[in-house]
Amino acid sequence: NAGVTQTPKFQVLKTGQSMTLQCAQDMNHEYMSWYRQDPGMGLRLIHYSVGAGITDQGEVPNGYNVSRSTTEDFPLRLLSAAPSQTSVYFCASTLNRGETQYFGPGTRLLVL
Amino acid sequence: AQTVTQSQPEMSVQEAETVTLSCTYDTSESNYYLFWYKQPPSRQMILVIRQEAYKQQNATENRFSVNFQKAAKSFSLKISDSQLGDTAMYFCAFMNYGGATNKLIFGTGTLLAVQP
Repeated sequence: NAGVTQTPKFQVLKTGQSMTLQCAQDMNHEYMSWYRQDPGMGLRLIHYSVGAGITDQGEVPNGYNVSRSTTEDFPLRLLSAAPSQTSVYFCASTLNRGETQYFGPGTRLLVL
Repeated sequence: AQTVTQSQPEMSVQEAETVTLSCTYDTSESNYYLFWYKQPPSRQMILVIRQEAYKQQNATENRFSVNFQKAAKSFSLKISDSQLGDTAMYFCAFMNYGGATNKLIFGTGTLLAVQP
């Protein structure tokens, strides 16, 4: 199993550009989440999904969209990038609530 | 709202010694999950240990153990026989037992350096 994969590893954007961060898992997990990690702030939940077709907002959803058309994939879209979205983004998945969450390797995003 | 506090931004320990990382949390719930995650320089988030609040017994995984004090809302991590590979950022995290979300609430982390 590849586990949780994320692409790209690193991206530079200009303010106002849009892009999609990809996340895929091959463990047949129902629950998937996107977090952002900023210095001194730990990880904060952006959006999450409890199954294909079902998504909801986390703590810091503004400026981001998600969809979940398949169990495997959970892309995160930045609609119009802002410097405040410079961060490291992690995707995570788990089979059941409260169980171990498996994290991807992260995407480092720099918005100029 | 639930919060997780890690009051030690940085710690240092000599190889082979024991170190304890502190974590406190605030919740009005009685059932929940607590976790310690490790983030080495590779940036990969790795689960170290997990505790279910309704279980009295403290969780243990090899050299890692927790001291779970439910009444005090404290969840410290003890690392025994520290190794150079334990150098990492350690995050304490909380999850509610009920509800439909799978939301982890993280502390701000403790950077642990193991010295040779």
